[in-house]
Amino acid sequence: GQNIDQPTEMTATEGAIVQINCTYQTSGFNGLFWYQQHAGEAPTFLSYNVLDGLEEKGRFSSFLSRSKGYSYLLLKELQMKDSASYLCAASFMNDYKLSFGAGTTVTVRA
Amino acid sequence: IAGITQAPTSQILAAGRRMTLRCTQDMRHNAMYWYRQDLGLGLRLIHYSNTAGTTGKGEVPDGYSVSRANTDDFPLTLASAVPSQTSVYFCASSAGLAGGTDTQYFGPGTRLTVL
Repeated sequence: GQNIDQPTEMTATEGAIVQINCTYQTSGFNGLFWYQQHAGEAPTFLSYNVLDGLEEKGRFSSFLSRSKGYSYLLLKELQMKDSASYLCAASFMNDYKLSFGAGTTVTVRA
Repeated sequence: IAGITQAPTSQILAAGRRMTLRCTQDMRHNAMYWYRQDLGLGLRLIHYSNTAGTTGKGEVPDGYSVSRANTDDFPLTLASAVPSQTSVYFCASSAGLAGGTDTQYFGPGTRLTVL
């Protein structure tokens, strides 16, 4: 793998904000994906960052810093349905393959 | 449009048996992938195919083989299953356009138990 690191678990309250961090090795790095995976289901695409900065999509935002090898996924106004695993995945130059982190399980509590 | 389908949904298999997991996509994607997902280890790439007629090894290819006879189908074969191959298997595909990084789309998965 390409040493994609993210926290194992996070817990937050409904309506709150949670930030999931992801670090990766910068050598040959191309872009950073975030996927959401509900228990027993397939991963589904959330966001893709290739340039530095913040990309906002409704309640979800994703940030990338290429020089620092760092990304985060920001989930705002948390809802119970946001309880899921969030997977960080990096792509590298001249390669379609992705390297996935182990995933962060987010639990939203009432 | 179905996207990506996988069969079977789940299977219990005796050790030593041969098993083929099927994957079909209708998006005319060039690239296809097989992953296994185990608790605490995330998604690990088994084999991939950048285009019909070509395949490559991923991170954990041992004990698995694939073929890509056409654009739509990408079967994964376990020649002689072992208990450590108990896992959830996901097939994925992407457009695979030259010079670009493209999004992978996942099938519903096959839950395989080897006893």
